[in-house]
Amino acid sequence: NAGVTQTPKFQVLKTGQSMTLQCAQDMNHEYMSWYRQDPGMGLRLIHYSVGAGITDQGEVPNGYNVSRSTTEDFPLRLLSAAPSQTSVYFCASSYGGHRYRETQYFGPGTRLLVL
Amino acid sequence: TQLLEQSPQFLSIQEGENLTVYCNSSSVFSSLQWYRQEPGEGPVLLVTVVTGGEVKKLKRLTFQFGDARKDSSLHITAAQPGDTGLYLCAGGRLTGGGNKLTFGTGTQLKVEL
Repeated sequence: NAGVTQTPKFQVLKTGQSMTLQCAQDMNHEYMSWYRQDPGMGLRLIHYSVGAGITDQGEVPNGYNVSRSTTEDFPLRLLSAAPSQTSVYFCASSYGGHRYRETQYFGPGTRLLVL
Repeated sequence: TQLLEQSPQFLSIQEGENLTVYCNSSSVFSSLQWYRQEPGEGPVLLVTVVTGGEVKKLKRLTFQFGDARKDSSLHITAAQPGDTGLYLCAGGRLTGGGNKLTFGTGTQLKVEL
């Protein structure tokens, strides 16, 4: 198993550009989520999905779109990049997301710099 | 937004010392998880506690969930350089959208020889 994979590892964008951060998992997990990590603020939930075709907003969804057409993939789209979106983005997945003791598996992250 | 404050924010100690990291909130959580994150990688789950007052041990690491389920602590005995990393607590609440995690602000630990 590759676990949770993310591409690209690093990206530089200009303000106003759009891009898609890719996330895939090969563990047949239902629950997938996107977080951003900023210094001194921990990880904040952007969007999540409880299964193919179902997505919902997290704590900081503005400026981001998601879709979940398959169980394996959960891409995050930046519609018009802004410097405030400079961050490290993590994708995570878990079996069902409904149990307290469930383990979330994180990908290695995508480092995004918006100029 | 339910905030989880961690203290200290940074900690630099010598090998063999003991340390405690605290995770505090004004909100009640159904569960509390601790993660460790190494540079360039995603967080990795260390432990989950769900019962008020629960204590779990993982080798030299001891985790405790507060009686009121608002706070938690991580104690490391005889720290080693391999313990270096960013430690994150995360409070969980079950909602219609699954187990939503609120992450703490993080504690950066450095253990030197």
